[in-house]
Amino acid sequence: GQNIDQPTEMTATEGAIVQINCTYQTSGFNGLFWYQQHAGEAPTFLSYNVLDGLEEKGRFSSFLSRSKGYSYLLLKELQMKDSASYLCAVTDSNYQLIWGAGTKLIIKP
Amino acid sequence: GAVVSQHPSRVICKSGTSVKIECRSLDFQATTMFWYRQFPKQSLMLMATSNEGSKATYEQGVEKDKFLINHASLTLSTLTVTSAHPEDSSFYICSAKTGGEFYEQYFGPGTRLTVT
Repeated sequence: GQNIDQPTEMTATEGAIVQINCTYQTSGFNGLFWYQQHAGEAPTFLSYNVLDGLEEKGRFSSFLSRSKGYSYLLLKELQMKDSASYLCAVTDSNYQLIWGAGTKLIIKP
Repeated sequence: GAVVSQHPSRVICKSGTSVKIECRSLDFQATTMFWYRQFPKQSLMLMATSNEGSKATYEQGVEKDKFLINHASLTLSTLTVTSAHPEDSSFYICSAKTGGEFYEQYFGPGTRLTVT
């Protein structure tokens, strides 16, 4: 079956760095997305990785290792507004998006 | 970036009635639109995929006669929840993408449906 695992909840301190991991087992792979979702709102796109390596975009970076079925989202200089759920999603061989359950990130002052 | 709108943002209806939710791509043509539902503290669950001018493809366990999807144009898809029941209360989110499998999905702001 297809499966995406990410931690349910994480807590970090304002100004610090946090890494949210995502492991996946899917039938085929055509890219991995990270989305941010605030409570009661729709997801917003953060990053897309299809090749191995690190993609940096401002305070957010995303890493992918296809051989390990592994990705992480790195958030630097955390701000209170970064408190949200972070969703990992993988596009499989049928180009269908498979969603993880999301990681709720709590930022403390 | 691409903008997707949804209407209404919130709706309360009585049990047994039908509710229509609209999803529009405002500045691009969406060859494919997706409908999701999300229960509190859970991830997105894909309900159906619709391509313009053809019938929607429903995910396993989603009743096509209950959740009617129409994708009449490249900028509009509608989801009608028929004979709504309290268990249909949920957050419904649409997304749209242009042609090409690698393109990201652009999400609408979601519709909060409450059935009393």
